[in-house]
Amino acid sequence: TQLLEQSPQFLSIQEGENLTVYCNSSSVFSSLQWYRQEPGEGPVLLVTVVTGGEVKKLKRLTFQFGDARKDSSLHITAAQPGDTGLYLCAGGKETSGSRLTFGEGTQLTVNP
Amino acid sequence: EAGVAQSPRYKIIEKRQSVAFWCNPISGHATLYWYQQILGQGPKLLIQFQNNGVVDDSQLPKDRFSAERLKGVDSTLKIQPAKLEDSAVYLCASSLWHTTYEQYFGPGTRLTVT
Repeated sequence: TQLLEQSPQFLSIQEGENLTVYCNSSSVFSSLQWYRQEPGEGPVLLVTVVTGGEVKKLKRLTFQFGDARKDSSLHITAAQPGDTGLYLCAGGKETSGSRLTFGEGTQLTVNP
Repeated sequence: EAGVAQSPRYKIIEKRQSVAFWCNPISGHATLYWYQQILGQGPKLLIQFQNNGVVDDSQLPKDRFSAERLKGVDSTLKIQPAKLEDSAVYLCASSLWHTTYEQYFGPGTRLTVT
């Protein structure tokens, strides 16, 4: 059973375009994290959100945690080729300690 | 601050052979994780250590996979015997404590089983 579903699975856009990636679940999570993974490297943590409705901004990236803490979104404004990578969401539950459940990822390609 | 180190970076073996991966977490991080990431999928937790004790190994295929963290620092993950479906990237991550969600990943070991 896939607890976290990400959409779209693949996304190819032109430099300068905006995009949104979604992470959805039927389960409630204590926290939701977003990672970016580049080829040949491990995932790198971008942000952690813990409060329902929370919005965090990291330069051109905006992260939102759903009010019910079951879903999250990542919005990128004016995408650049350097944003290319696999974007992974991961959810944590207090009952599971620090164990994270990862989504399948969204592979983003930004063409110059 | 040095990141999580893993070796080797790449390994190619034949099925039924054995292989071992090594991980050195960030200094001072008590919790260490091993993940398996199959191409096109998100990482799947294999085992979690808190210092030198196992916290969660519910998804570790114990008939062929084993892991240890004897001194609470470095860790090794072993597969014996390997199967074709074990081809994947094996990621090691560490976190400061078992109650913190922020995990820091190493570059991974890409295993190909032929």
